[in-house]
Amino acid sequence: DGGITQSPKYLFRKEGQNVTLSCEQNLNHDAMYWYRQDPGQGLRLIYYSQIVNDFQKGDIAEGYSVSREKKESFPLTVTSAQKNPTAFYLCASSMDRVYGYTFGSGTRLTVV
Amino acid sequence: KQEVTQIPAALSVPEGENLVLNCSFTDSAIYNLQWFRQDPGKGLTSLLLIQSSQREQTSGRLNASLDKSSGRSTLYIAASQPGDSATYLCAVVLSGGYNKLIFGAGTRLAVHP
Repeated sequence: DGGITQSPKYLFRKEGQNVTLSCEQNLNHDAMYWYRQDPGQGLRLIYYSQIVNDFQKGDIAEGYSVSREKKESFPLTVTSAQKNPTAFYLCASSMDRVYGYTFGSGTRLTVV
Repeated sequence: KQEVTQIPAALSVPEGENLVLNCSFTDSAIYNLQWFRQDPGKGLTSLLLIQSSQREQTSGRLNASLDKSSGRSTLYIAASQPGDSATYLCAVVLSGGYNKLIFGAGTRLAVHP
């Protein structure tokens, strides 16, 4: 079945450590996105990519970095510069805005 | 700046009731609107997608309407069941710019037997 796979499901980060969240899709979608979700708030866009080797900052990109070397993959790195990284991270993809978005199952990141 | 508001923030109802969840947006220049369901600790599942030229979409017991001029959408759930308990999110894509979803904070629904 086609879909989006996020891993790991749970991730723990120590202070000063960089961690990378994986997002893989087999939907042949061109565009991919990373959102952050905090309790009681709507999802906020971190980064997006509309084609391979190109990506743009979203609304809350500070302390995060991404790459898009393959169409299927869009990993997100949470750097030590992100001061409040504890949140639920969701990856999404879309073929075209006409068809809407598909989301992955999310990664919960906790600072320990 | 587009803002999306969902009312109520939480709702608790007995099984069998018909429900209306509300979503409003400040900028009527949207391309489409999508309703999602989110179970605790899970990702988002798409329920209905309404293009700006459409008035409503239906899927089973769910019906979503769109009134773009007034900046409103409603999600109607018929004959609610305990399995409908989840958070329901609406999100819009603007007509201009890139394909970015702008979300409301959601309505947390509990349907009790």
